[in-house]
Amino acid sequence: DGGITQSPKYLFRKEGQNVTLSCEQNLNHDAMYWYRQDPGQGLRLIYYSQIVNDFQKGDIAEGYSVSREKKESFPLTVTSAQKNPTAFYLCASSGRVTAGELFFGEGSRLTVL
Amino acid sequence: AQSVTQPDIHITVSEGASLELRCNYSYGATPYLFWYVQSPGQGLQLLLKYFSGDTLVQGIKGFEAEFKRSQSSFNLRKPSVHWSDAAEYFCAVGATSYDKVIFGPGTSLSVIP
Repeated sequence: DGGITQSPKYLFRKEGQNVTLSCEQNLNHDAMYWYRQDPGQGLRLIYYSQIVNDFQKGDIAEGYSVSREKKESFPLTVTSAQKNPTAFYLCASSGRVTAGELFFGEGSRLTVL
Repeated sequence: AQSVTQPDIHITVSEGASLELRCNYSYGATPYLFWYVQSPGQGLQLLLKYFSGDTLVQGIKGFEAEFKRSQSSFNLRKPSVHWSDAAEYFCAVGATSYDKVIFGPGTSLSVIP
C-alpha cells in the first residue's frame, strides 16, 4: 500500500544533541512538507520541498534543517539551535494534480530530556 | 493576510446528536478548502475537499461540508455523531499552486455516550 512512513515514532534526546527524523513516501508525490504540532497551536510549517534538491523555509525554520536528495525521502534534522524542540512532528506529501491535498505520516514525538 | 479561523476550541456532543464545526477563511484567490481529522497521537486524515463546482461536498465517515463564498465559510456537518468521531478537526485552505497549506487551530470534539 502507498503511504508515508515516519520513523522513529518516539525519540528522546539530551539537550545539545542533533536528531534526524526520517520521512519516506511511495506515493510518487512531488511535494513534501514538515509540520510541527504543539498542544493548542495547530500545525506550523517548518520546511517544504516541491522538487528534488530544492526546499523552502516555512514559518518556523530556525533550528531545523532538511535535505531532498531523493523524491521519496525528506529527512528533518532538529539541531541543538532549536530552543524548544519537544513537540510532535508530522511529515506530509502532495501530488501535483491535487495541490493542497496532503497525505500525512503518523508522526514522530520528540522529547528533550 | 491569509488565515483560517475555527471559532470553537472544544465542542462536546451526545452520541447520535448532530454536529456542526465552524470554519472561516481569509484568502485572496479562489481557495481550495479541506477538512482533516486527527486521532490522538496520529497523523491527519483527509475528510473532504472542495475545489470547485457543487458547494455541498460529501466526505468519508458520513461528513459533509458546505462552501459559502459570501460568508467565507466552510462548515463541517454530520447528522448523527458516533463515539468514534471524537478527535481533533482541522480546517485548511490551499492554493492552485502547491505552496503551503494554511491550517486552522483545530476544534477538539468530545462525544458523550
